[in-house]
Amino acid sequence: QVQLQESGPGLVKPSETLSLTCTVSGGSISSYYWSWIRQPPGKGLEWIGYIYYSGSTNYNPSLKSRVTISVDTSKNQFSLKLSSVTAADTAVYYCARVGGFWSGYYDVQYFDYWGQGTLVTVSS
Amino acid sequence: DIQMTQSPSSLSASVGDRVTITCRASQSISSYLNWYQQKPGKAPKLLIYAASSLQSGVPSRFSGSGSGTDFTLTISSLQPEDFATYYCQQSYSTFTFGPGTKVDIK
Repeated sequence: QVQLQESGPGLVKPSETLSLTCTVSGGSISSYYWSWIRQPPGKGLEWIGYIYYSGSTNYNPSLKSRVTISVDTSKNQFSLKLSSVTAADTAVYYCARVGGFWSGYYDVQYFDYWGQGTLVTVSS
Repeated sequence: DIQMTQSPSSLSASVGDRVTITCRASQSISSYLNWYQQKPGKAPKLLIYAASSLQSGVPSRFSGSGSGTDFTLTISSLQPEDFATYYCQQSYSTFTFGPGTKVDIK
């Protein structure tokens, strides 16, 4: 059973960089896309971006200028960096696996495994 | 960017009720539509993928339908453990979630 676990500081100062790591266990990080998703308190879900195990990335255009996602296959981990944070970046941050398959007509993709989430508060 | 809307934003229902939640995309997304259930303090759980396929282990009272821009999640007989918030999510062009529908007890 694949398991994901987020780790990193729970408090970040405004204008600084938020850094989180997701450790994947119970399966290899290879051959999948891996994603970060966040949820401000009491609000909905926002996709941040994803990375393929080979290192190719795709980011939400609304966050692209501040986001970097990287992968370390030797440690079965991938990481998120979000720069110049403000209070609006306060959220529960989830890491997730992008599962799916080729249906014969199109690429079916969905988030099938999730971490438990970690609350990051931006405050001085 | 593809925008997703859901209706209603919340609903109150009783155990045993048939519940229907609607999701609409701002442009055609074929069947690139997934549904998730989220309970307070927990990560979302995948229920339905590709508009109508039931994820392994999900009870058969959950079903999904639709294609193009209009989609529906139906719970045929609401159970106590189904009170939660439900999100649709498109995967046609990267990923976007709907705003959610909260299902609570009447």
